[in-house]
Amino acid sequence: EAAVTQSPRNKVAVTGGKVTLSCNQTNNHNNMYWYRQDTGHGLRLIHYSYGAGSTEKGDIPDGYKASRPSQENFSLILELATPSQTSVYFCASGDGWGANTGQLYFGEGSKLTVL
Amino acid sequence: QQKVQQSPESLSVPEGGMASLNCTSSDRNFQYFWWYRQHSGEGPKALMSIFSDGDKKEGRFTAHLNKASLHVSLHIRDSQPSDSALYFCAASPSSGSWQLIFGSGTQLTVMP
Repeated sequence: EAAVTQSPRNKVAVTGGKVTLSCNQTNNHNNMYWYRQDTGHGLRLIHYSYGAGSTEKGDIPDGYKASRPSQENFSLILELATPSQTSVYFCASGDGWGANTGQLYFGEGSKLTVL
Repeated sequence: QQKVQQSPESLSVPEGGMASLNCTSSDRNFQYFWWYRQHSGEGPKALMSIFSDGDKKEGRFTAHLNKASLHVSLHIRDSQPSDSALYFCAASPSSGSWQLIFGSGTQLTVMP
């Protein structure tokens, strides 16, 4: 089965600090995504990538950067973390066409708390 | 306004009962629908897709799509405690699109 792994799984950061969330996929998918999950908001797209070297803004990119150095790895970077960025972050990969359009494979999530 | 709206926010059904979850898109561009399921402490997992009008059945799960009204539903018959989870509806505008917009979810609890 498709595998997406995230690290760290839990992170406590201080306001103003830098946080990097990492994601690795072994699916050889071109597309990778970072979502955040908050109660009442579902999953909201932060950044996504079409392949190595590309990053694109999603629906809520402010305060976040992304990096896709290789097909397998996609990082989410918070240069100056704020308490409003306390959330659970999910990485996903996908390459769906036709019947697989919209099929994403998610990691287990990274819980970030900014104090 | 969210492009994908789900109802109800939460739902409780007895074991063996029928659970019905609803989803509506406010954007006619979004015509490919998925249901995702998320158990507590895990990432969401794709449950089933529906792209054509009518019903699609997979085991105890049946999805129904009405493209004219952009309404999709998920019905779970003979609900089991293991079905207790957060269910997301997600929509995509076209085949191969990168876009997948999620609703806010329905929390289903199946009571033993």
